[in-house]
Amino acid sequence: GQQLNQSPQSMFIQEGEDVSMNCTSSSIFNTWLWYKQEPGEGPVLLIALYKAGELTSNGRLTAQFGITRKDSFLNISASIPSDVGIYFCAGQLEETSGSRLTFGEGTQLTVNP
Amino acid sequence: EADIYQTPRYLVIGTGKKITLECSQTMGHDKMYWYQQDPGMELHLIHYSYGVNSTEKGDLSSESTVSRIRTEHFPLTLESARPSHTSQYLCASSEYFTGDYGYTFGSGTRLTVV
Repeated sequence: GQQLNQSPQSMFIQEGEDVSMNCTSSSIFNTWLWYKQEPGEGPVLLIALYKAGELTSNGRLTAQFGITRKDSFLNISASIPSDVGIYFCAGQLEETSGSRLTFGEGTQLTVNP
Repeated sequence: EADIYQTPRYLVIGTGKKITLECSQTMGHDKMYWYQQDPGMELHLIHYSYGVNSTEKGDLSSESTVSRIRTEHFPLTLESARPSHTSQYLCASSEYFTGDYGYTFGSGTRLTVV
């Protein structure tokens, strides 16, 4: 199936630092979503993006839907220990409307106090 | 509070046993999914359903089977568990027609086959 390339694979940062991660693809997406998964739990939706160029914030989190519709990034400002987890991007391909999401491989975030 | 429920949360069973992992959602969602995930790794879609009496295999081959007799219920069954089935299994659901494509995930079942 189609693949989303998510980077970086893992990040080790100090509390207070800003974090940036992104997803890219060779295909065009009409929806981008960002999820966070904490240990022992299922992923939880953080931000949803539905239009090219859209920039959306949720507290310290900001995500953007790339203009080319082939990429998206997620920024976390002033990280705190509870930001630890795996962050997944997910997208819905343009040519498969109403269909299932494609997930990235995940970014494992570790925040040192 | 969760609107999608998975039971059990943890399960340790012996090789060769038949098991059913339960997933129920109270949101009236048409679409439901099963993902397999090894610790800290990506999500692999193993089954999905677009509605009652509809089931499809996902991207990752799995020896498990699913059924969708009721909208709210999407159980996954392993007829004969093996150690290679040890993993976390995540259930999810989504709307179909509203344009909101976000999935709601359950908390998962962590299966260990010994």
